[in-house]
Amino acid sequence: GEEVAQTPKHLVRGEGQKAKLYCAPIKGHSYVFWYQQVLKNEFKFLISFQNENVFDETGMPKERFSAKCLPNSPCSLEIQATKLEDSAVYFCASSLSSSNYGYTFGSGTRLTVV
Amino acid sequence: KNEVEQSPQNLTAQEGEFITINCSYSVGISALHWLQQHPGGGIVSLFMLSSGKKKHGRLIATINIQEKHSSLHITASHPRDSAVYICAVHNFGNEKLTFGTGTRLTIIP
Repeated sequence: GEEVAQTPKHLVRGEGQKAKLYCAPIKGHSYVFWYQQVLKNEFKFLISFQNENVFDETGMPKERFSAKCLPNSPCSLEIQATKLEDSAVYFCASSLSSSNYGYTFGSGTRLTVV
Repeated sequence: KNEVEQSPQNLTAQEGEFITINCSYSVGISALHWLQQHPGGGIVSLFMLSSGKKKHGRLIATINIQEKHSSLHITASHPRDSAVYICAVHNFGNEKLTFGTGTRLTIIP
């Protein structure tokens, strides 16, 4: 499709529960990026993929966060044992190539940990 | 000091006014994005620039690579332009974005 599809739009989890977020990039886009937006305008890069390979994972809190992009499946971001500070909007973006052409954001998943 | 600085942080203007939002960055970049985010909403990429100027409707974006500065202009502003505008840059050799802190624009009818 021509949009980056993120599901679910909203997710509520009790502290300590698992959260799993999904992102379907635009067909033909090779790169997928995950960002975390906290405190309205503070964005943090988490991880990027080139096809199914991790490209850059320097932003990932390794202890509880993991992500995958498998062939013929939406990409996923999983948080084990969620904490209150994980509450944020998680945005996915995809781009056509390393030249960033066609960089497109999904509509985000709002995760609330209670 | 953030790598990407925006000004102003907040801007309120009357409908019809010409709007300018500024972005300065301190690192070498391969491209710069101007993004729009409505309250509770997703992010829309307005422009991606690596040099010069781009125009789309009432929106104009310029970049000066030597001065490490970009501006977003809105002509004949309208209440529907009310949103947060975010400057984000791609560092050289790096596809991930570094974001500015955003400018909250409110256009009053």
